[in-house]
Amino acid sequence: AQTVTQSQPEMSVQEAETVTLSCTYDTSESDYYLFWYKQPPSRQMILVIRQEAYKQQNATENRFSVNFQKAAKSFSLKISDSQLGDAAMYFCAYLRGSNYKLTFGKGTLLTVNP
Amino acid sequence: GAGVSQSPSNKVTEKGKDVELRCDPISGHTALYWYRQSLGQGLEFLIYFQGNSAPDKSGLPSDRFSAERTGGSVSTLTIQRTQQEDSAVYLCASSRDGGSNQPQHFGDGTRLSIL
Repeated sequence: AQTVTQSQPEMSVQEAETVTLSCTYDTSESDYYLFWYKQPPSRQMILVIRQEAYKQQNATENRFSVNFQKAAKSFSLKISDSQLGDAAMYFCAYLRGSNYKLTFGKGTLLTVNP
Repeated sequence: GAGVSQSPSNKVTEKGKDVELRCDPISGHTALYWYRQSLGQGLEFLIYFQGNSAPDKSGLPSDRFSAERTGGSVSTLTIQRTQQEDSAVYLCASSRDGGSNQPQHFGDGTRLSIL
């Protein structure tokens, strides 16, 4: 079974600084997708960024980028120029290719200090 | 609609009562998913719908849980004879189809509290 591990239950960052959230996963599949979701207190899970395993290039979305290390099964999220609105719970998730069932990590609570 | 809509936002009920949770997916999305988010278990997959059929009910924790989807749109998750361990946030998501290349868009969830 696939597992997703987020080893940092909580992280904090100063506004305008950079922070990296860690995620590792375990799979024997070669075709899969990885995601970072953000969950603010409103509870809505918001897709931040997605990475296809077959792509070597790391995904980026504005201030958000990932460091995808396929051999190490590592998928970290870097948030640059952190803003107060970035404060939320961040979940790493795995999806096997041709499947639909997301497997989530336990989450990392990010605090942004002014 | 613009996004996935879930109702009610919060539900408090007594142990042993039945509850119904509703999900209205994004218009045109054929795939619909229910997840449960609880303190002890994190986020767990419950059920997947493609159109009106549910090819995967493997995540439903017991036979007290059931779900249906009518007209390929709105879905209802029903929990019968609720227990305290059913307390959680129930999240619904939808995607254009069930393919893994289609991102799942989530609603705000229903927070269920069993007294």
